[in-house]
Amino acid sequence: QQQVKQSPQSLIVQKGGISIINCAYENTAFDYFPWYQQFPGKGPALLIAIRPDVSEKKEGRFTISFNKSAKQFSLHIMDSQPGDSATYFCAASFSGSRLTFGEGTQLTVNP
Amino acid sequence: GAVVSQHPSRVICKSGTSVKIECRSLDFQATTMFWYRQFPKQSLMLMATSNEGSKATYEQGVEKDKFLINHASLTLSTLTVTSAHPEDSSFYICSATPLAGETQYFGPGTRLLVL
Repeated sequence: QQQVKQSPQSLIVQKGGISIINCAYENTAFDYFPWYQQFPGKGPALLIAIRPDVSEKKEGRFTISFNKSAKQFSLHIMDSQPGDSATYFCAASFSGSRLTFGEGTQLTVNP
Repeated sequence: GAVVSQHPSRVICKSGTSVKIECRSLDFQATTMFWYRQFPKQSLMLMATSNEGSKATYEQGVEKDKFLINHASLTLSTLTVTSAHPEDSSFYICSATPLAGETQYFGPGTRLLVL
C-alpha cells in the first residue's frame, strides 16, 4: 500500500514534443505529490509538486495532472528540450513524512 | 533558497575504514533530515530518518551500528559508514525538510567507493 508505481521506465521524445510520465498510488492517506528531476551524478531537484485538492498545476513547461478518484498523477513536459534529458521520479508522502518514490523514468530528448 | 550541501562529494577508502559524510542545510533550519542510498539506474532507497536531538529511525534491513547517524543541530546531520566494505560502495544522498515544511530538498550526493 506504500508503493508508488511509475511508468514508463524509459522514454524517448523528439525535441519540441510532449513527454508524459505516469504514476499510480494505493495509499489514500498520501497528501503531497512531488516530482523530482535527477541528472547523472547529482542529487534529485524538486521540479513541481501538487496536493490532492487540485487537479492540475502548471509551472512553465511542466504540468502535473492529478486524478484523485483514479489515484493517479502524471507529469507533462511541453516543448521538450535536450536539456530535459534526465531521470524523473514521482513521489508521495503524507503529513510531511517520508517520501515514497516511484521507480524512475529515464527521459531522452533527441535534438 | 533551500540549499543542501554534502561533503565530501566523492570518497575512496580502503576496506575496514570508516567514512563520515556531512549534510548541511545552508539557508534554512531542518527539523528532519533523511539519508538515502542509490544504486546505478535505481530509485532512491531510504536508509534512515533523523530528527535534531533524537535518535535516528532506521529502515528495515539497514544496520544502525554500521550506518551511524548524528543530527547534532538544525543544520547538520552526519552519516558515518563504519568498517566499510566494497558492498557499501554506492551513491549516498541526504535531504532536509524545513521547519513546519513538507518539501524535501536534496543534497548533491556523495559517491563512496570502498576498495
